[in-house]
Amino acid sequence: AQSVTQPDIHITVSEGASLELRCNYSYGATPYLFWYVQSPGQGLQLLLKYFSGDTLVQGIKGFEAEFKRSQSSFNLRKPSVHWSDAAESVCAVGSSSGGYQKVTFGIGTKLQVIP
Amino acid sequence: NAGVTQTPKFQVLKTGQSMTLQCAQDMNHEYMSWYRQDPGMGLRLIHYSVGAGITDQGEVPNGYNVSRSTTEDFPLRLLSAAPSQTSVYFCATTPPGGRFHEQYFGPGTRLTVT
Repeated sequence: AQSVTQPDIHITVSEGASLELRCNYSYGATPYLFWYVQSPGQGLQLLLKYFSGDTLVQGIKGFEAEFKRSQSSFNLRKPSVHWSDAAESVCAVGSSSGGYQKVTFGIGTKLQVIP
Repeated sequence: NAGVTQTPKFQVLKTGQSMTLQCAQDMNHEYMSWYRQDPGMGLRLIHYSVGAGITDQGEVPNGYNVSRSTTEDFPLRLLSAAPSQTSVYFCATTPPGGRFHEQYFGPGTRLTVT
């Protein structure tokens, strides 16, 4: 069975500092990987996704993520955090079996940005 | 385009009451889903639909019913609410190509069952 682990429930960074949010997945084959962002009172918005090819994926709002098969990880990064980045980020893994597509979501990491 | 809309935003029910959570979309997407989000857990799929007239169960379907008579609407029914159904409910649509492409989420309905 596939699973997603986001080890950090809450992270605080200073505005302008770099950010890395961790995501580890469990799946036997090559997974489809996603990062979503959720602002208070809003639904999830896709930041970026990895299907295949280049393991460094660029997304919206200046975010990027790197797929590392050897570490079963798909960590989200941003070189310089802005106050508007404060939100909950959710990692997800997808798989396809017998025509059924399954997406498993992590529990999320809440990002706080301090001035 | 309004995207995905959900009503109501908040709802309090008593145990045993019934209600329908509404979801509507104007993007003409065939694939629609209902998720619930609980503290300490990731989003879990309740029901989904691949088009009008076609629905199927997700991971946690018990206590919920759905139907899909039009492409635009995908209501979720709670026939007899229980405290375990206290949660935030999200509706999502997926463009052609399947769920591995971008899902568009509504703003959610926060439901409390007392």
